[in-house]
Amino acid sequence: GAGVSQSPSNKVTEKGKDVELRCDPISGHTALYWYRQSLGQGLEFLIYFQGNSAPDKSGLPSDRFSAERTGGSVSTLTIQRTQQEDSAVYLCASSLDISSGGYTFGSGTRLTVV
Amino acid sequence: SQKIEQNSEALNIQEGKTATLTCNYTNYSPAYLQWYRQDPGRGPVFLLLIRENEKEKRKERLKVTFDTTLKQSLFHITASQPADSATYLCALPPYGGSQGNLIFGKGTKLSVKP
Repeated sequence: GAGVSQSPSNKVTEKGKDVELRCDPISGHTALYWYRQSLGQGLEFLIYFQGNSAPDKSGLPSDRFSAERTGGSVSTLTIQRTQQEDSAVYLCASSLDISSGGYTFGSGTRLTVV
Repeated sequence: SQKIEQNSEALNIQEGKTATLTCNYTNYSPAYLQWYRQDPGRGPVFLLLIRENEKEKRKERLKVTFDTTLKQSLFHITASQPADSATYLCALPPYGGSQGNLIFGKGTKLSVKP
């Protein structure tokens, strides 16, 4: 597609449930990033994928968070046993590679844990 | 560790004036710096990238400067319009290099009054 697509746009889940967030990057972009943004806060880096290299998971806040990228394209961020502090907007971005140009962001998934 | 500061959380100016936003960083020397615009409920949108060997870059009514001695970037919007109202984020690569995920400042919310 023309842009980065994220789904769902909104997700309300009960504490303790698992959620999966999906990101469909721009075709041909080898780098894919996940960030989260809490109300009034800056963007917090979570994980990035570059081509076939091992992902950089250094930003994942706990082992409840994981992500995968299948076939170098679509990525899924999974949060297990969700907690209220996981409530945030989860943003996905892609770029041609990790050292050039700017990121193209999706509109995000607003996750609310109740 | 590296630190990014955007000078103010909010900036209010009158239509037609020049808006100047500041991004300061410490503890490293990034190969480039980027500026993004974020509207409510949307992901950030890439505006400009300036490299360490560039003093200034322009795009329409936007001008960015990069002073590696002062460790500061200035972002100017000339002849500002109410439609320029948004949050503006600066972003830098980590660890003084050009690889890896961008680190974002918390942003400055610009309001342009008619």
